[in-house]
Amino acid sequence: GAVVSQHPSRVICKSGTSVKIECRSLDFQATTMFWYRQFPKKSLMLMATSNEGSKATYEQGVEKDKFLINHASLTLSTLTVTSAHPEDSSFYICSADPGGAGGAFFGQGTRLTVV
Amino acid sequence: QKEVEQNSGPLSVPEGAIASLNCTYSDRGSQSFFWYRQYSGKSPELIMSIYSNGDKEDGRFTAQLNKASQYVSLLIRDSQPSDSATYLCAVLLTGTASKLTFGTGTRLQVTL
Repeated sequence: GAVVSQHPSRVICKSGTSVKIECRSLDFQATTMFWYRQFPKKSLMLMATSNEGSKATYEQGVEKDKFLINHASLTLSTLTVTSAHPEDSSFYICSADPGGAGGAFFGQGTRLTVV
Repeated sequence: QKEVEQNSGPLSVPEGAIASLNCTYSDRGSQSFFWYRQYSGKSPELIMSIYSNGDKEDGRFTAQLNKASQYVSLLIRDSQPSDSATYLCAVLLTGTASKLTFGTGTRLQVTL
């Protein structure tokens, strides 16, 4: 299957700082990537659709100024959590679409802890 | 009505038995269906995709799709303790480009 790499896998940051998470498609080009967050024992919640070369599409209720998404190339999308607070602590996961299959391949996820 | 529904479980089956996981969806026009396995603390892993009515087999896994009844299921034969995980059903809904809609997942426990 296609390979999606996410970095870092784990990050701890202080409240008020910003954190950048990278999502790379290693063996295919992805015009579309997806960002999810997942709280313990809960299902995936889609945050936004990242579109190469254009603005991301955010789901209802997701603050676009807090969760900045940049998809500058066909293999890289980044999610920046700005002015992080403890309630932003969560598991963030990206997925990438190798060809219209529905964003079927996930990165390893990033566990963010804001202290 | 939720767009994709799954029983949250847990579904407990003994080792060696068949585990049957079910999923229903509301959009009759959906064309693509996926099953993911997610271990605790890990990201989802794609295990099966199915697009046509009927059965699709891959090793110990069989996906079944019935578009008329709007359900998709996953059978795991010869269940192993390592199969214990949460299984997520995902559907590509009509008109949503390539955005998947996930069910809440069914937790499977395979007991010794």
